[in-house]
Amino acid sequence: SAVISQKPSRDICQRGTSLTIQCQVDSQVTMMFWYRQQPGQSLTLIATANQGSEATYESGFVIDKFPISRPNLTFSTLTVSNMSPEDSSIYLCSVGEGAGQPQHFGDGTRLSIL
Amino acid sequence: GENVEQHPSTLSVQEGDSAVIKCTYSDSASNYFPWYKQELGKGPQLIIDIRSNVGEKKDQRIAVTLNKTAKHFSLHITETQPEDSAVYFCAASLYNFNKFYFGSGTKLNVKP
Repeated sequence: SAVISQKPSRDICQRGTSLTIQCQVDSQVTMMFWYRQQPGQSLTLIATANQGSEATYESGFVIDKFPISRPNLTFSTLTVSNMSPEDSSIYLCSVGEGAGQPQHFGDGTRLSIL
Repeated sequence: GENVEQHPSTLSVQEGDSAVIKCTYSDSASNYFPWYKQELGKGPQLIIDIRSNVGEKKDQRIAVTLNKTAKHFSLHITETQPEDSAVYFCAASLYNFNKFYFGSGTKLNVKP
């Protein structure tokens, strides 16, 4: 399966600032996704990153708060904007080859907001 | 939308014993069911998956069973080892959609 690299692996940020998380895959993939995993919780899909077009957001997540880019088939970024302590979570990138196919995850970005 | 429930939330077994984790789903149109293992500080790793046209799948010490009528599927780990200790997540997906619906997770502790 594809090798997925996320940067940074962890960060501590100040309230009100923004952080951009990068996801790099070592091969071209059809689908890229961004998830949030709050401490001790399950995974919640934030959005599907679409190559060359706007991301598709899930209910409860908006583009102004979580802008996403996907300039090509191997790279995507997620920005967490105007951060508050409630945004402290693990943010995970995953990739897949379409409906009914496995998704593979990066190791995540552990974000703490002070 | 789909709703996936997972039980138990924690499971403690002695090394060498078997462990079983169960999930139920609500949407009969779901037809792809992966299982993930998440170790501390790591992302979820796919360990086994099953599609709705199959009732059981096995890979060494790990097996998954699917009952479409009852809408539940289970992960079976035999001869557990301390390195099996992790959080396990089940998920369900509709074939025509990319979205995965995850269960709440099971923390498995294998005592040496």
